[in-house]
Amino acid sequence: DIQMTQSPSSLSASVGDRVTITCQASQDIDNHLNWYQQEPGKAPKVLIYDASNLETGFPPRFSGSGSGTDFTLTISSLQPEDIATYYCQQYNNLPFTFGGGTKVEIK
Amino acid sequence: QVQVVQSGAEVKKPGASVKVSCKASGYTFNDYYIHWVRQAPGQGLEWVGWINPNSGGTDYPQKFQGRVTMTTDTSISTAYMELSRLTSDDTAVYYCARARYSSSSVGTEYWGQGTLVTVSS
Repeated sequence: DIQMTQSPSSLSASVGDRVTITCQASQDIDNHLNWYQQEPGKAPKVLIYDASNLETGFPPRFSGSGSGTDFTLTISSLQPEDIATYYCQQYNNLPFTFGGGTKVEIK
Repeated sequence: QVQVVQSGAEVKKPGASVKVSCKASGYTFNDYYIHWVRQAPGQGLEWVGWINPNSGGTDYPQKFQGRVTMTTDTSISTAYMELSRLTSDDTAVYYCARARYSSSSVGTEYWGQGTLVTVSS
């Protein structure tokens, strides 16, 4: 199975800060990666698909990059409504696997 | 618009089975795979498998093989996930999600609201 290593597991940043979350795959997954945003008590929402495509309805301060084994989710200017846990997921190889999640809080 | 609506919460005893439904609307049901994902309390996301409504084909991680069965009833655009021999470790919110691309298992796009399954004696 492909292991997805996400870091950090949690972070605290100020409003307006640039935030970066990384996800590393244990083998090449091309660009077959989703990023999800999960607000407390709610279902996950797809935020970024195919590594770099922003899902409709999300603001452009969110961006995704990477290919192969190393991927990054960036929030260019953190806002209070971005408080959530973020997960990566690969869908290149079965079984599809998730990273452990990154909990984002406001300092 | 696409909607995916799941059945309500369940409480089951250890050793029992649970069957969760996922009703889809707003698109051609047969054209898109359905994924199932679960999340134990306070934990991360775990992929449980997928089903191709067009063929009935499925794929489950080894961890769930022999215990999970995914089916569909295409006449009512509904997918089902049945998990047997439940233990307390199966207590989780179970989500269904429609795949992003027609006739492909890759990616997800529309998610259900989740179904809490509690296993307790």
